[in-house]
Amino acid sequence: EIVMTQSPATLSVSPGERATLSCRTSQSISSNLAWYQQKPGQAPRLLIYGSSIRATGIPARFSGSGSGTEFTLTISSLQSEDFAVYYCQQYDYWPLYTFGQGTKLEIK
Amino acid sequence: QLLMQESGPGLVKPSGTLSLTCTVFSGSITSSSYSWGWIRQPPGKGLEWIGSIYYTGSMYYNPSLKSRVTISVDTSKNQFSLKLTSVTAADTAMYFCTRLHCSSPSCQSSYFFGMDVWGQGTTVTVSS
Repeated sequence: EIVMTQSPATLSVSPGERATLSCRTSQSISSNLAWYQQKPGQAPRLLIYGSSIRATGIPARFSGSGSGTEFTLTISSLQSEDFAVYYCQQYDYWPLYTFGQGTKLEIK
Repeated sequence: QLLMQESGPGLVKPSGTLSLTCTVFSGSITSSSYSWGWIRQPPGKGLEWIGSIYYTGSMYYNPSLKSRVTISVDTSKNQFSLKLTSVTAADTAMYFCTRLHCSSPSCQSSYFFGMDVWGQGTTVTVSS
């Protein structure tokens, strides 16, 4: 089973600044990685798939990169609505999709 | 805009069967570009993949849950369902239904374009 490790567990950033979230996998997954945003009491929301492809309606300030075992989600200029928990998900080892444990992005 | 809504009992007794249904609104469950899945999230924890189904009935399950899980589809009602048997307290979670955007019924690797629509979730507690 692929182990997904997200870091840091909590990230404190000021509005308007850049946030960089990391996701590492225990085995290579090519570019088969997605990112989701989850706010309290809500369902997750798809941000990125294919490591770097923004989903429909996702603002350009969200960008993804990486391949193999190292991936990054960058939010270029944090807005108030961006403070949430972010999960990465691998889909290379079907039929077992696995998620990271999440990074909580909080206001500094 | 397609919407999805979970329904089912919020309380299940230990050793019993958890049964949930997801109804799809403003869209067809028989679309060839999508599969339909279940995800759960224990209180205060992360997301766990349960499984998915294509409208033709092809099912794919998390190997760790496979012996207890059945996902089925009813195209006449635009619904799909989850059954989880022999539940314990560890199955207490928020259960989400979701749409998988895929170019293949199996939704593997490069054929998968994300879980792009989610239900609001329903809380299921396993307790006597």
